[in-house]
Amino acid sequence: GQNIDQPTEMTATEGAIVQINCTYQTSGFNGLFWYQQHAGEAPTFLSYNVLDGLEEKGRFSSFLSRSKGYSYLLLKELQMKDSASYLCAVRPGGFKTIFGAGTRLFVKA
Amino acid sequence: DTGVSQDPRHKITKRGQNVTFRCDPISEHNRLYWYRQTLGQGPEFLTYFQNEAQLEKSRLLSDRFSAERPKGSFSTLEIQRTEQGDSAMYLCASIPGQGVSYEQYFGPGTRLTVT
Repeated sequence: GQNIDQPTEMTATEGAIVQINCTYQTSGFNGLFWYQQHAGEAPTFLSYNVLDGLEEKGRFSSFLSRSKGYSYLLLKELQMKDSASYLCAVRPGGFKTIFGAGTRLFVKA
Repeated sequence: DTGVSQDPRHKITKRGQNVTFRCDPISEHNRLYWYRQTLGQGPEFLTYFQNEAQLEKSRLLSDRFSAERPKGSFSTLEIQRTEQGDSAMYLCASIPGQGVSYEQYFGPGTRLTVT
């Protein structure tokens, strides 16, 4: 079966750093994605990892370890507007993309 | 606004009725996905098109669901004999056809309520 696990909720303080973890068990692997989704809105793309290591993009970084089936999204210098759900998604092969249930991040002042 | 549009934005229907949703992707995008999302869950893959060809369809999808992309541009998703369990947000996403592209551009979604 295909399974993606991430914490349901996290709370962090404005200005801080937060790490959102994702573990996956899929029949194959052809890339891992992170998307941000604000309440009532569509997901927007944040990052893509297909090789092991860290990809940095501004305040957001994403890490992948294929051997461990593990990824994390790191958000630095948190802002109130970062309060959203963060979706981890895997492309196991073919064209399908499998999304996790998402982690709801609450940023408090 | 990603440039992907969906119509209608909201649909309320009675159980047993048929509904059809439309997605207009970004014009140069030849790849298109349909997803279903319920509250507290991530998007669930329904089907994938490359140009007009439907290349993959979820096995979870019953025969009541059908999708088309007749000219490789807009796409429609039809649900026949709707059930209350079909109530969800239906999302469309498109990807450019050129090069190594992986970012999916999502539309705003159609929220379906089956009463």
